[in-house]
Amino acid sequence: DIVMTQSPDSLAVSLGERATINCKSSQSVLWNSNNKNFLAWYQHKRGQAPKLLIYWASTRESGVPDRFSGIGSGTDFTLTITNVQAEDVAVYYCHQYYQSPMTFGPGTRLEIK
Amino acid sequence: EVQLLESGGDLVQPGGSLRLSCAGSGFTINDYFMSWVRQAPGKGLEWVSISSNLADGSTFYEDSVKGRFTISRDNAKNTVYLQMNSLRAEDTAKYFCARTSATGTGRGYFTHWGLGTLVTVSS
Repeated sequence: DIVMTQSPDSLAVSLGERATINCKSSQSVLWNSNNKNFLAWYQHKRGQAPKLLIYWASTRESGVPDRFSGIGSGTDFTLTITNVQAEDVAVYYCHQYYQSPMTFGPGTRLEIK
Repeated sequence: EVQLLESGGDLVQPGGSLRLSCAGSGFTINDYFMSWVRQAPGKGLEWVSISSNLADGSTFYEDSVKGRFTISRDNAKNTVYLQMNSLRAEDTAKYFCARTSATGTGRGYFTHWGLGTLVTVSS
């Protein structure tokens, strides 16, 4: 199974600042035949349904603010949230869909300082 | 608007059974892969099962539920089910239904999620 790790476990940033969340997979999730990384990011607020933010490592889902961006390839990925807002408080998960069983990272909790 | 509404969660004894339902609205489940993902109390997300909408009707399961859980769909009711047998304490979790954008055999990313339904396995 592909093991996903995330860092940090939690972070606190001030309103308007930048938050950076890292995700690492135990093996590459890059499909060479189409040069796509099978990696998604989700936001999960307490008591709500998880929400898809990013897929193919860097494609922003429709309706997601452009403050959210994803980058990376192979085994190392980053979710960046610029100009952090109060409504961004949530747990963020990366997810690999390159291989079954699909696996998630353990999550990173974002709080406001 | 795409919506998913899970139901059927309950308190059940170890070894018992439960059937979860996920009713879709705003789209046709027959056009999509559909998945179940769970979250144990205080833990992260864990994929459980996926159902293909293709002609082969293939299904896939996480190893710990293989042979105990069965995913199925009723296209006429636009509903996906998760039949859970031989339940264990470690199956205690909130179970989310998710519409899945298929990217390969038994795989995809989750575009829409429900609010979840809580399953508690305890004596």
